[in-house]
This record gives sequence, structure tokens and C-alpha cells, in this order.
Amino acid sequence: AQKITQTQPGMFVQEKEAVTLDCTYDTSDPSYGLFWYKQPSSGEMIFLIYQGSYDQQNATEGRYSLNFQKARKSANLVISASQLGDSAMYFCAMRGLNTGFQKLVFGTGTRLLVSP
Amino acid sequence: DSGVTQTPKHLITATGQRVTLRCSPRSGDLSVYWYQQSLDQGLQFLIQYYNGEERAKGNILERFSAQQFPDLHSELNLSSLELGDSALYFCASSVAGAPTNEKLFFGSGTQLSVL
Repeated sequence: AQKITQTQPGMFVQEKEAVTLDCTYDTSDPSYGLFWYKQPSSGEMIFLIYQGSYDQQNATEGRYSLNFQKARKSANLVISASQLGDSAMYFCAMRGLNTGFQKLVFGTGTRLLVSP
Repeated sequence: DSGVTQTPKHLITATGQRVTLRCSPRSGDLSVYWYQQSLDQGLQFLIQYYNGEERAKGNILERFSAQQFPDLHSELNLSSLELGDSALYFCASSVAGAPTNEKLFFGSGTQLSVL
């Protein structure tokens, strides 16, 4: 079975600083994808970044980058130059090729608060 | 805006009642997923449809059912509602629903409150 673990229930960061949100995963799939979603207080789930298990380079999308360490089964999200609008819940998720690839399995989330 | 439309945004009902949640996927997306988000269970996958057919089932209760219509919109029916069914219900869509790198686009959710 697939499992995503986010051990930080909450994180605080000052505006313009960088912050790392931790995510570890467990899967027996040889091929899988890792995702990060942002959920602001308004409730919608916003896709941020994707990393494939066979991708050689870490994914980047603007201020978001994914620190992918396959041997350690970790996929941490790095947000550079934090903004007030980054305050939200952040969810790590994965999807495996063989075991339930149709669905995303989510972690419990990390609440990020960005202060001025 | 993700392009996925969910209605209604909020729903307040009583125990024992039945409700229907509606979802219109993004234009061109054939796959629809339903998720339930509650404080104690987090985000739980309920069910997936692909081009009108059920493709995968998750932690969906027997009191819940869903379908995807020929125009690809989907409905989630919740019956004999209990207090514990109060949650935010998300619909998501994707083009095919198969490749590992395919991202899901989520709607804004329907907040269900069972009183």
C-alpha cells in the first residue's frame, strides 16, 4: 500500500524567506509520481508541482522546487521568497503505477503561516 | 480557476436525508474523481469514473453512490446521512486517469453539514 507522511502539522516563516515542507512516502511501485497541492482558506486544491520517480532532475515551478531524494523516499517542497499569499495548507500526494494508480493518495498536510 | 465546477458550494441538511452533489469536469477531461475531506480522516479517495464507467473505488460507503453521465458531468449521491458525513467533498478531473504524471484538477468543493 502507498503511504504519505507529513510530519510537520504547522510551519512558520517570515516573508521573503525560504521554507521547506517535508514529505516522505512509502510504496512498492517501481514507477510513481509525487505531487504537491496547496489549499488556501477558501478551500480549493491548487496543483503546485510534480516529480516523476524516474526524473533525473528535481522539479521546479517558479518559486516552488521539489527536493527529491529517491533512496530516502522523500519529496520535500521548497518555497523560496515566501509571500503572504503562501499561507495555506500544503498536501503531498503520490500516485503509483501498479497499486491504485488511478487515484492520488494524500498526506495529512502542513499548515504554513507566512508573517510580515 | 481550475475549470472544474462543483455545485452547490454549501449544503446543510438533516440526518437521514439524501443529497446530490454535482461536478462538471474541465473541458476535454474524461476522468472524474470524488474525494472526501474531513478533519479526522483527511483527504480520502471515494471513487473514480472514466468516460462514463466506474474505474476505481476507494473508501466509499454503501450509502454513497456516484455516476458519470454521457456529457461527462458526475453526481455523487449521499443517502441516509449521518453526522459523521459532514465534510468537504471534492471533485477532481483529469484527461485520462491513468498515467502517473497526470495531475488532477480540483473543484472548489461542496461543504456538507449534516445537523
